[in-house]
Amino acid sequence: DTEVTQTPKHLVMGMTNKKSLKCEQHMGHRAMYWYKQKAKKPPELMFVYSYEKLSINESVPSRFSPECPNSSLLNLHLHALQPEDSALYLCASSRGGVVFSGNTIYFGEGSWLTVV
Amino acid sequence: EDKVVQSPLSLVVHEGDTVTLNCSYEVTNFRSLLWYKQEKKAPTFLFMLTSSGIEKKSGRLSSILDKKELSSILNITATQTGDSAIYLCAVEGGYNAGGTSYGKLTFGQGTILTVHP
Repeated sequence: DTEVTQTPKHLVMGMTNKKSLKCEQHMGHRAMYWYKQKAKKPPELMFVYSYEKLSINESVPSRFSPECPNSSLLNLHLHALQPEDSALYLCASSRGGVVFSGNTIYFGEGSWLTVV
Repeated sequence: EDKVVQSPLSLVVHEGDTVTLNCSYEVTNFRSLLWYKQEKKAPTFLFMLTSSGIEKKSGRLSSILDKKELSSILNITATQTGDSAIYLCAVEGGYNAGGTSYGKLTFGQGTILTVHP
């Protein structure tokens, strides 16, 4: 079972709203990721969590706040977003752990976010 | 900074044609190269190529990693309209922190493949 589940699939929010995107995997993966994808562009890395600790923050604005409550869950809290933040937000996971060669990264279906 | 370049950016063919998609990369601590297919949703994993596994094949799709040239190709034979999609190449660089490791994927721009009946 190579499944990463994201909710909600679609979200429309105002610029003053606070909302959250959720991601869950039960593959025992210890690395989880948030990517942002704009139309006709490749995914761009936002955050990496390894063993529930934030390992990479790709200079993402503070209006995006990630949280990893446990090894299976990853949240992205959204506050005071701008219309240009509208995009597909992809969660992904991989085995992580000790160094080895090759580490398939599996993506969830994504959450389509529209900021109005 | 890690960099992945794909070519061509778009390709239009007819059913039955064979296509070759290209990917070149510059990455620190190379761990793997992955190919994904993306339609109107999240990327779907196709292949992973590593230093110990440089050629993969699945049905009409095959891929080769050229470690010397730092590149990869994805071949699709006897194309079908269902192959129409964006094909993304991504390279995983390895990072270590506190004794654990994780992968950081850098994506190419993608190749938009359109297969006409």
